[in-house]
Amino acid sequence: DAMVIQNPRYQVTQFGKPVTLSCSQTLNHNVMYWYQQKSSQAPKLLFHYYDKDFNNEADTPDNFQSRRPNTSFCFLDIRSPGLGDAAMYLCATSRVAGGGDEQFFGPGTRLTVL
Amino acid sequence: GESVGLHLPTLSVQEGDNSIINCAYSNSASDYFIWYKQESGKGPQFIIDIRSNMDKRQGQRVTVLLNKTVKHLSLQIAATQPGDSAVYFCAENTGNQFYFGTGTSLTVIP
Repeated sequence: DAMVIQNPRYQVTQFGKPVTLSCSQTLNHNVMYWYQQKSSQAPKLLFHYYDKDFNNEADTPDNFQSRRPNTSFCFLDIRSPGLGDAAMYLCATSRVAGGGDEQFFGPGTRLTVL
Repeated sequence: GESVGLHLPTLSVQEGDNSIINCAYSNSASDYFIWYKQESGKGPQFIIDIRSNMDKRQGQRVTVLLNKTVKHLSLQIAATQPGDSAVYFCAENTGNQFYFGTGTSLTVIP
């Protein structure tokens, strides 16, 4: 089935140790998103790609970076994770630019920072 | 980011009753809205959407109402079932960006 896949589902890292989260999609969607969701809070948009065009939210910390090497894959790099970065990280896709089209979410990667 | 808020953080309903979850949004330029259901440990799941040129849309057991005058969105769930227990988020869309509301935790009492 076409879907949004996130690996790993659970990631444990040490304070300050770089970590990369992965997302892939078989939907061939143009737009890919990364969200951070902390416990009992709404998902917060970090950035999105429309094709290779990267769009950073104004309040996304510099500690968070992203790469999209091709249509199917998108990576979230956290350069120096702090305790406050422990959260669920959600990847999503949508078909078209300009909005007005449903987002499809992956199952998320839960990041623990020790 | 945009401000999309929910009026009630928790809601408990009896099985079989109807549920109404409310949401206020702040960007009058938003032209597309989605309601999501999120169960514990899972990603948000699409329930129903509505475009800004509509004021009502119905799905299976769910109805979304949009009032652009007061920038208010609601989700109505008919004959609520235990499987409906989850957190519900509204999201507004402007351009390529989606902004989520705070979320309402719905508990269905058998």
